[in-house]
Parts: sequence; structure tokens; C-alpha cells
Amino acid sequence: DADVTQTPRNRITKTGKRIMLECSQTKGHDRMYWYRQDPGLGLRLIYYSFDVKDINKGEISDGYSVSRQAQAKFSLSLESAIPNQTALYFCATSDSVGSLLETQYFGPGTRLLVL
Amino acid sequence: DQQVKQNSPSLSVQEGRISILNCDYTNSMFDYFLWYKKYPAEGPTFLISISSIKDKNEDGRFTVFLNKSAKHLSLHIVPSQPGDSAVYFCAAGRGQEYGNKLVFGAGTILRVKS
Repeated sequence: DADVTQTPRNRITKTGKRIMLECSQTKGHDRMYWYRQDPGLGLRLIYYSFDVKDINKGEISDGYSVSRQAQAKFSLSLESAIPNQTALYFCATSDSVGSLLETQYFGPGTRLLVL
Repeated sequence: DQQVKQNSPSLSVQEGRISILNCDYTNSMFDYFLWYKKYPAEGPTFLISISSIKDKNEDGRFTVFLNKSAKHLSLHIVPSQPGDSAVYFCAAGRGQEYGNKLVFGAGTILRVKS
């Protein structure tokens, strides 16, 4: 079983709709992250959380919100989807108890298309 | 303002030869650097990392070199194999007190021809 799972894997929605992307992890990590990937721009950080109920804005948080109700789950919401939110979304986790060179572990991604 | 840049969108290499992927950064405060590899329909997976206090780190066929004065790092793959064909992302981060947030480059598509 995968350590970091994302649902759904693919989603098509219409402009103005509210949608939620879910991320679950079994790694026991306390830190979780949401990124989006766009062609030519790499991965950009949307939100991150150090622990349950802890929420921090990343580089591109406008138009998004998140919820961390449990250590293993971190959900990303688009309150009113718009076409330029069409992208590949990744969830990642990391462990605060570790070496300096802390790596992040990524889920398989959710491909979102907003029409 | 892109703090981490991968200026080559793609690279094509013959099987058995060396692949060299490059990455430049602008923020001298980065503490460590990582390379991730991504196959289609999968998430990025960690490949190799290097601390800012080192200039080289090696793991099997993969070696990362860091030139702090030039704010440049490179990933060498020797010998290259067809299974290495993927997108490679360079990333830079600061210490845990900064949340271990990573800044990613745009990626380089590596194609290894057999």
C-alpha cells in the first residue's frame, strides 16, 4: 500500500464549483504540504501544516483553503474553481524529527481540469 | 522571481554515457539541496541530497556537486540507463525552523536512448 494517497486521482469540474482534494498518509509524519505543478513552473507550495490544526500559507494560497483535522489527513479545497486552477496537485509529508536534510514524500498527484 | 532555476527543459543522452543536469539558485540562505525524479502519473520521489557545507555527495550512479560561490549544483548520472528517463526536479530548502519548505525548479526532462 502507498504511504501517501490522494483522492481523486482525476477530476473535471466547472467554473464556480467547490471541490475538495483529499490526502492521507500512513507514514506517521507530522508535516504535510500541498503543491501544484504547472508546465514550466515546477512545483509551487500552496499551504503547509506542521501539526493538527496548524495551517500556514505557502507561495500561492489565494483561491485555496485547507483543513488538518487529523495527523494523517490534509485536505485542499477550491471554494470557487476557476480555469487557471487547472493543474496537477501533489500532497507531500515530512517528519520534523530527522536530519537537516529533511526529505518530503509525495503522493501520486491529482489531475484537476476546470472548465 | 524564481529562486531555483533549471535552464534546460530537456536533455537527451545515449545509454551508457553521462547525464549532467544543472540547477542554479539565487538565495544564498538555502541550507540544503535535493534532487527528485518523477515518472509520468506518479509523484516525485527523492533521489539524492546535499548539505550546503559539502561540495559533493555520491550514491551509486548518482552524484550531486555543489558550487556555493557560483550558486550552482549539478546531478551526474553515470552510466545513464533507459530507466533513468524521467523529469528531474532540483529543490532547495532551509532548516527546520523555516518549516523545511522547499523551492523547486521547473524540471528537466531526461531521455536516455538505448
